[in-house]
Amino acid sequence: AQKVTQAQTEISVVEKEDVTLDCVYETRDTTYYLFWYKQPPSGELVFLIRRNSFDEQNEISGRYSWNFQKSTSSFNFTITASQVVDSAVYFCALSDTNSGGYQKVTFGTGTKLQVIP
Amino acid sequence: DTAVSQTPKYLVTQMGNDKSIKCEQNLGHDTMYWYKQDSKKFLKIMFSYNNKELIINETVPNRFSPKSPDKAHLNLHINSLELGDSAVYFCASSQDRGSQYFGPGTRLLVL
Repeated sequence: AQKVTQAQTEISVVEKEDVTLDCVYETRDTTYYLFWYKQPPSGELVFLIRRNSFDEQNEISGRYSWNFQKSTSSFNFTITASQVVDSAVYFCALSDTNSGGYQKVTFGTGTKLQVIP
Repeated sequence: DTAVSQTPKYLVTQMGNDKSIKCEQNLGHDTMYWYKQDSKKFLKIMFSYNNKELIINETVPNRFSPKSPDKAHLNLHINSLELGDSAVYFCASSQDRGSQYFGPGTRLLVL
């Protein structure tokens, strides 16, 4: 069965600090996708990144970077030089297939990040 | 243009009532979803439709009935609302196994 674990429930950092959000997943599929979503206090869910299981290359987008390590089943997310606008709940998610062969997305429980000015 | 829209944004109602939430996507995606987010922020899939066909039906009370009139719309009807149904309901869409794009959410409060 698929599972996504975000062990950090809440993290507080001071503005300009770097912060890493951890995500560990479990799946039996060899082909799967991993995602990160951001949910700011306004409540909407914002897509950040999608990664397929065959692409272990790390990705950087501005102050955001993602480290995908298949050997440890982890897909961690780092924010460099954090800003107050980064304060949000961040969700890691796993997409693999259910018994009917359709995509099923399982979300982690989220990590609440608070960036203090 | 809004990619995934939901109406209403807020819904306050009495226990026992029946209510519907509507969702529309203009992304041309073939798969749509309903998720429930509880007060602890847990996001859980409820239903998924692919080209108007129900493909995922998680353990959800049968008071909840989804309906997809076409692949751009997925509505959620809830009968006999209970206090525990209070949550934020998110609609989402995706193309095949692509990224899911979420609507703004419907905040349901049952009194």
